[in-house]
Amino acid sequence: EAGVVQSPRYKIIEKKQPVAFWCNPISGHNTLYWYRQNLGQGPELLIRYENEEAVDDSQLPKDRFSAERLKGVDSTLKIQPAELGDSAVYLCASSLLAGVHEQFFGPGTRLTVL
Amino acid sequence: TQLLEQSPQFLSIQEGENLTVYCNSSSVFSSLQWYRQEPGEGPVLLVTVVTGGEVKKLKRLTFQFGDARKDSSLHITAAQPGDTGLYLCAGISNFGNEKLTFGTGTRLTIIP
Repeated sequence: EAGVVQSPRYKIIEKKQPVAFWCNPISGHNTLYWYRQNLGQGPELLIRYENEEAVDDSQLPKDRFSAERLKGVDSTLKIQPAELGDSAVYLCASSLLAGVHEQFFGPGTRLTVL
Repeated sequence: TQLLEQSPQFLSIQEGENLTVYCNSSSVFSSLQWYRQEPGEGPVLLVTVVTGGEVKKLKRLTFQFGDARKDSSLHITAAQPGDTGLYLCAGISNFGNEKLTFGTGTRLTIIP
């Protein structure tokens, strides 16, 4: 069974540029999460989807970040414009059931903003 | 904001030694998970503990959930180089919006 797929794996951009990350969760997993992980620290939740509905986006900086999960499968996280402090690993995770339970993480996208 | 502090932040020991990693919070969690993350990969779930005082063993790893469900520990016996990685505890709160709060992480290096 394929795991959570993320692309790109690495992205280097200059500040003020836009960037987008894509995630394909495990087939059949209704819940999808986006996390941001700074170097050497634990992941921090940005947004959680139940199917196509964002049920927790309280930690998403809405002035520059946006996310969508059309048709309740793939998801895209966008930053526009990017700032130096956005450099981090962006992780996507999915779980079978609503609520937390066991989350399966993708390999992440490492973003460097110059 | 619920904070999970892990200690030590970094740990480097020789192969064959024992070690313990701690995860502490002032908040109560309904359950707690431990993850291991290797470079370039996402975290992988090791265990979930749900009852205060619960002890779970996974081969050479022993996990304990505190009686008050505010803290946890991970003990590794006879550490091996394959144990190297970033260990993360994560508390689950179901008071309202159920979510996972990750700890600050412990970077473990086992020297052959």
